[in-house]
Amino acid sequence: NAGVTQTPKFRILKIGQSMTLQCTQDMNHNYMYWYRQDPGMGLKLIYYSVGAGITDKGEVPNGYNVSRSTTEDFPLRLELAAPSQTSVYFCASSWDSLNGYTFGSGTRLTVV
Amino acid sequence: AQKITQTQPGMFVQEKEAVTLDCTYDTSDPSYGLFWYKQPSSGEMIFLIYQGSYDQQNATEGRYSLNFQKARKSANLVISASQLGDSAMYFCAMREGFQGAQKLVFGQGTRLTINP
Repeated sequence: NAGVTQTPKFRILKIGQSMTLQCTQDMNHNYMYWYRQDPGMGLKLIYYSVGAGITDKGEVPNGYNVSRSTTEDFPLRLELAAPSQTSVYFCASSWDSLNGYTFGSGTRLTVV
Repeated sequence: AQKITQTQPGMFVQEKEAVTLDCTYDTSDPSYGLFWYKQPSSGEMIFLIYQGSYDQQNATEGRYSLNFQKARKSANLVISASQLGDSAMYFCAMREGFQGAQKLVFGQGTRLTINP
């Protein structure tokens, strides 16, 4: 039971670099989400998807892009990394719109 | 305005005591859901309990119960017979509406420490 798998677990980026955070789930969930958690804060929604080919912005989408070409995968792209994007990033999925999420273990990103 | 407010940055409780973590929310949507998540020091997010706005009874899951007071817009988490393993950050979260994606708004969290 892999659940939601995020890679990498840790990454240090230089300002202006790009990277993709990978997220894969094996539960055939329709809904997938990306959140960021800044130190001492709750999570904020970056992007979400209700199914393959459908994505939409959350509360803090600036500086990020996503795609959902398959049900399983929901990668998050940072094009020009900035220090403000230093955070822990969580991917999550859910079967429907009512039950709790299954979260990945998170990616700790530092931009220097 | 804050949609989810957790007023207790930290709480310290003796092992085996019950503990209540406060959460108040703000919404004008009659259809909403309230969630509690646990985040241990290892960092993962663990779903604990859910309460829908139309649910007549308070939700319970093992040692966790949700004290839902709709008129006061509060959704406090009660942990009975606390254990050392309950030490963690606890987040209250809300979604508005029951259709479509489950977009959650999180509070800032409460750090719970269980003392032996």
